[in-house]
Amino acid sequence: SQQGEEDPQALSIQEGENATMNCSYKTSINNLQWYRQNSGRGLVHLILIRSNEREKHSGRLRVTLDTSKKSSSLLITASRAADTASYFCATDPWGGATNKLIFGTGTLLAVQP
Amino acid sequence: EPEVTQTPSHQVTQMGQEVILRCVPISNHLYFYWYRQILGQKVEFLVSFYNNEISEKSEIFDDQFSVERPDGSNFTLKIRSTKLEDSAMYFCARLQNRERNEQFFGPGTRLTVL
Repeated sequence: SQQGEEDPQALSIQEGENATMNCSYKTSINNLQWYRQNSGRGLVHLILIRSNEREKHSGRLRVTLDTSKKSSSLLITASRAADTASYFCATDPWGGATNKLIFGTGTLLAVQP
Repeated sequence: EPEVTQTPSHQVTQMGQEVILRCVPISNHLYFYWYRQILGQKVEFLVSFYNNEISEKSEIFDDQFSVERPDGSNFTLKIRSTKLEDSAMYFCARLQNRERNEQFFGPGTRLTVL
């Protein structure tokens, strides 16, 4: 079965710096999504990028997708202490019948004030 | 933003007991999902439910698990005889738009099996 892997597993930066997280996956996809999870809480959808897109922006978020390398990156610019959370990529496998999402292992981001 | 709610927020149970986790209230949606997240691990797909039937289930979703939509709105996950390893966060999600496959997740139920 497909597995997503994020790196780094943990990232600690200072407020105002940029944070970059990477995700790799193994099979063809319809799209890739990034979710955020605050400690012990639910998942919040951040951004979706389709398989035919290469880059997408939403506010301080920038997502890239390289389907040839089966990888994606999430960039958070001008980070804030409130950005502290776990970030997961999730893929929608191509050919899937039910739109289940396959999640990666996550990156724990800590933004120091 | 559309909401998904779940009850209870935290459930503590003894091993071997039955638990029912609920997604409430939901209306006018066709696709639902249950995921689980063991502490410190990634989110795993359990089952998808379309038009009141299971459409796909994972290896995790064995005979101890079942899903229902008993009254047309609530969406439940039942674990018949809980095991210690069932301790996890359980998330309900619904599909807002199939083409985009953006899923809206509930806040989760933390299940603790003692």
